[in-house]
Amino acid sequence: EPEVTQTPSHQVTQMGQEVILRCVPISNHLYFYWYRQILGQKVEFLVSFYNNEISEKSEIFDDQFSVERPDGSNFTLKIRSTKLEDSAMYFCARRRRSTDTQYFGPGTRLTVL
Amino acid sequence: GDSVTQMEGPVTLSEEAFLTINCTYTATGYPSLFWYVQYPGEGLQLLLKATKADDKGSNKGFEATYRKETTSFHLEKGSVQVSDSAVYFCALGDYGGSQGNLIFGKGTKLSVKP
Repeated sequence: EPEVTQTPSHQVTQMGQEVILRCVPISNHLYFYWYRQILGQKVEFLVSFYNNEISEKSEIFDDQFSVERPDGSNFTLKIRSTKLEDSAMYFCARRRRSTDTQYFGPGTRLTVL
Repeated sequence: GDSVTQMEGPVTLSEEAFLTINCTYTATGYPSLFWYVQYPGEGLQLLLKATKADDKGSNKGFEATYRKETTSFHLEKGSVQVSDSAVYFCALGDYGGSQGNLIFGKGTKLSVKP
């Protein structure tokens, strides 16, 4: 199973602040996904990213969220102005074109105070 | 839309007991089905998968069979161990007309006692 890395492992921020969560790519993975898991709840899809563009997004992924892959390097999720309800575990996932299996990172725990 | 329904937890078993975690799905297409496991303090790990009807996924003694007629993908293990204590998520991914974002069930927490 390919290793998937996310940084930071834990982020604490004040409400209204911007946060950037990072996912380290594997070169032959073309599809990227962000999911979140509010404590004790199910994992929810946020957005998928392919060929440097958003391909799908959920209702959760509003104007406060953005994703990018600057310079073909890290895949990032930005939350512009965090709210208390953004506190959750955020998972990055990747997939190769040739498979239907998504591999998840260990997650970033975001705590908004 | 597509959805996944899992049995409510938590489930508490003694070591070497038989495990079944029920999972049913609703999908308009022909999804792939997955079980992911989340150990305490860790991320999601793929446990097993099945891509079409009647396929059986298996790994680490766990099995699940893709049943199209009953729209089910129940997870089973014949003899659980304490180390199997974790949260188990059933998920579907439909890659027919999309990039295949996964839809998860609510998760079932399993605790195995020695």
